[in-house]
Amino acid sequence: EVQLVQSGAEAKKPGESLTLSCKRSGVSFFSYWIGWVRQTPGKGLEWMGSIYPGDSDTRYSPSFKGQVIISVDMSISTAYLHWSALKASDSGLFYCVSSRSSWSIFDFWGQGTLVTAS
Amino acid sequence: QSVLSQPPSASGTPGERVTISCSGSNSNIGNSPVNWYQQRPGAAPKLLAYSTDQRPSGVPARFAGSKSGTSASLAISGLQSEDEARYYCATWDDNLKGPVFGGGTELTVL
Repeated sequence: EVQLVQSGAEAKKPGESLTLSCKRSGVSFFSYWIGWVRQTPGKGLEWMGSIYPGDSDTRYSPSFKGQVIISVDMSISTAYLHWSALKASDSGLFYCVSSRSSWSIFDFWGQGTLVTAS
Repeated sequence: QSVLSQPPSASGTPGERVTISCSGSNSNIGNSPVNWYQQRPGAAPKLLAYSTDQRPSGVPARFAGSKSGTSASLAISGLQSEDEARYYCATWDDNLKGPVFGGGTELTVL
């Protein structure tokens, strides 16, 4: 069974940098897309971007392109979501998602990481 | 405002059949299969149906997805108290060049 274990909640100030992590197990890390979805009360669920660890092919939503960086460390089967300078509007609950057949279908979800920037 | 439109709420009594709708356009639902996610209170979303009418292993057959034109539906038959959750539709959007979600429908089992 695929498992996605995310890093813990973060409370940051605007302007600070932040990196969230997501460790995937139960499936070949190289062979399946892994991505990030934000959930906020105002905008609901939003796909942010996804990466294919095998070749680091990365796709971003236009809403998040240039705002975050998605990366992986294959040696520890972990994906990352990075902000260089947080804004208050970046706050939300962030889910790591894993795709099996198609990178736009999110078969498995992590437990979520709450980010508060204020 | 979400790209896909869902009613904010729905309700039914145990044993009843309820349907949740999801409306889009030719650039999303009209051109791509639809996926559905279930999110119970305090939990992460879970894939409930994919490629419009397929169910992942472990999802009961009483959850059935369908699509017609630019609209999709999730039918839940034999409603149970454990079905109380928020349901989201999702699909590919040609303009966004990525997946988009509906705003979600809160299902209450009376």
